[in-house]
Amino acid sequence: DGGITQSPKYLFRKEGQNVTLSCEQNLNHDAMYWYRQDPGQGLRLIYYSQIVNDFQKGDIAEGYSVSREKKESFPLTVTSAQKNPTAFYLCASSNGMGSNQPQHFGDGTRLSIL
Amino acid sequence: AQKVTQAQTEISVVEKEDVTLDCVYETRDTTYYLFWYKQPPSGELVFLIRRNSFDEQNEISGRYSWNFQKSTSSFNFTITASQVVDSAVYFCALSEAVYGFNKFYFGSGTKLNVKP
Repeated sequence: DGGITQSPKYLFRKEGQNVTLSCEQNLNHDAMYWYRQDPGQGLRLIYYSQIVNDFQKGDIAEGYSVSREKKESFPLTVTSAQKNPTAFYLCASSNGMGSNQPQHFGDGTRLSIL
Repeated sequence: AQKVTQAQTEISVVEKEDVTLDCVYETRDTTYYLFWYKQPPSGELVFLIRRNSFDEQNEISGRYSWNFQKSTSSFNFTITASQVVDSAVYFCALSEAVYGFNKFYFGSGTKLNVKP
């Protein structure tokens, strides 16, 4: 079945450590996105990518980095510069960048601080 | 300023009751899209519906119906005869083209508890 796979489901980070969240899609979508969700809040955009080897900062990119070397993959690294990384992270993709395209989401990764 | 407001943080109903989730949005664009997503406890956001700004027809899909009113900038979601499986967080979202990019603005979500 086509979909978006995020791993791991749960992740723990030590102080000063970088961690990488995986996102893979087999929907053949060009556009991919990373969102952060905090309790009782909506989703906030971290980074997005419209095409391979290109990505743009979203609203809360500080302390995060991404790469887009393959169409199917858009990993997110939470760096030690992100002082409050505890959150639920959602990866999404869409078929093109038009505003009428729904975004499809993975199951998410829950990141906590040890 | 909030682009999408979901004023109801949490709603509890008893099974078989009807429930309406409110969504108010703000935009200066004439072309935009509105979405509803469901987030069950598993965490994945599930796409429910998309409406464009030029189509104000109400839509019904089974027990779900949506009321889009441009005059009040609202896109409300009604579940008829609610069921326990409807328990989830529901998000309303507005999509605008921003420099060719499909920018989504999500509301803060409404948690629906349906009790047996």
